[in-house]
Amino acid sequence: AQTVTQSQPEMSVQEAETVTLSCTYDTSESDYYLFWYKQPPSRQMILVIRQEAYKQQNATENRFSVNFQKAAKSFSLKISDSQLGDAAMYFCAYRSAWLRGGADGLTFGKGTHLIIQP
Amino acid sequence: EAQVTQNPRYLITVTGKKLTVTCSQNMNHEYMSWYRQDPGLGLRQIYYSMNVEVTDKGDVPEGYKVSRKEKRNFPLILESPSPNQTSLYFCASSLSGPDGYTFGSGTRLTVV
Repeated sequence: AQTVTQSQPEMSVQEAETVTLSCTYDTSESDYYLFWYKQPPSRQMILVIRQEAYKQQNATENRFSVNFQKAAKSFSLKISDSQLGDAAMYFCAYRSAWLRGGADGLTFGKGTHLIIQP
Repeated sequence: EAQVTQNPRYLITVTGKKLTVTCSQNMNHEYMSWYRQDPGLGLRQIYYSMNVEVTDKGDVPEGYKVSRKEKRNFPLILESPSPNQTSLYFCASSLSGPDGYTFGSGTRLTVV
């Protein structure tokens, strides 16, 4: 079974600064997908960014980017120019690529609470 | 608008009284899943479905049932709720692996 670990229960950053959230995972699979979800106080789960394991290039979505290190099984999220609206819980998640042969669904880390200081 | 709709958003019930949380998606997704979220534990999968009439247990299936009679609907059934099922529940659907899951707005369930 896969596990996802987020070692930072809480992070704080000044508005307009850059912050990096850590995520590591454990798997024996070679093909999989990784995601970062944002959960603001409204509790809605919002997909922020995704990465396919077979792609070496790190994904980027506007101010959000990832540092994907497949050998190290690390998938960190960098938020540049932090804004007050970025304050939320952030969850790292793993999904196996072998959807037809085995179990499906997302395995989540326990989350990092991001605080933005004005 | 493409979305996953869960109802109700809030529910308070008593121990042992059967309840159903409905979930419907309008995106023609094959994959659907239920999660519960508890403080400090993140989200854990209860059940998932890979197509109509195909369902399987996730990590925490005890005390729950699901059905997938139609592609769009995936209700979560608690036959005899207990206080330890007090939680925030999410339904989600997906087209394929790289797309990730689209989540509903959540159902806050309290069992007293």
